[in-house]
Amino acid sequence: EVQLVESGGVVVQPGGSLRLSCAASGFTFDDYAMHWVRQAPGKGLEWVSLISWDGGSTYYADSVKGRFTISRDNSKNSLYLQMNSLRAEDTALYYCAKVAVVGATWDYFDYWGQGTLVTVSS
Amino acid sequence: QSALTQPASVSGSPGQSITISCTGTSSDVGSYNLVSWYQQHPGKAPKLMIYEGSKRPSGVSNRFSGSKSGNTASLTISGLQAEDEADYYCCSYAGSSTSGVVFGGGTKLTVL
Repeated sequence: EVQLVESGGVVVQPGGSLRLSCAASGFTFDDYAMHWVRQAPGKGLEWVSLISWDGGSTYYADSVKGRFTISRDNSKNSLYLQMNSLRAEDTALYYCAKVAVVGATWDYFDYWGQGTLVTVSS
Repeated sequence: QSALTQPASVSGSPGQSITISCTGTSSDVGSYNLVSWYQQHPGKAPKLMIYEGSKRPSGVSNRFSGSKSGNTASLTISGLQAEDEADYYCCSYAGSSTSGVVFGGGTKLTVL
């Protein structure tokens, strides 16, 4: 059974930093690209970042470019999101999502985690 | 990136059919067969309902169908059931590494 479990979400002050983690199981992690998608309270889904299966390619939404860094450790079946210079508008539930197709990058998501809540507030 | 345009809400009675539209541009929905639809119940993670515009994953009811015409994709739910009440989001590849993936703003489906 595929499982994605996010962690690391806390309350952080504006300008602060945070690292989110996503522990994956139930599939061959290093065969698949992974994404982070966020959802502000009461709002819709917003794509945040993508990392290819081997970590060689990364992409970011304009809203987080230069502040967030996506990475993965295939030996630990884990995905990460380093978040720096946090702003109030980064407050959201952060989901990790698995791409459905082996080796694909920009493809649909077949599994999502339950999310971890990041609150940026003084 | 600009979000895809969805109606904020739709409603229907049990047994009826409803359609949710998702309007993009020639740079996203209109250019790629990479539209997907997700269902989200309150407090739950999104669930894949349709991919590549019209394909259903294993386990998703055949009451759910997808289509695309030009820059607009659509999700149709036939034979509405109470458990279909949820938020629905469309999603499309936006054609470049700087645009990435774009989502619609979401549609709240109410089963009357």
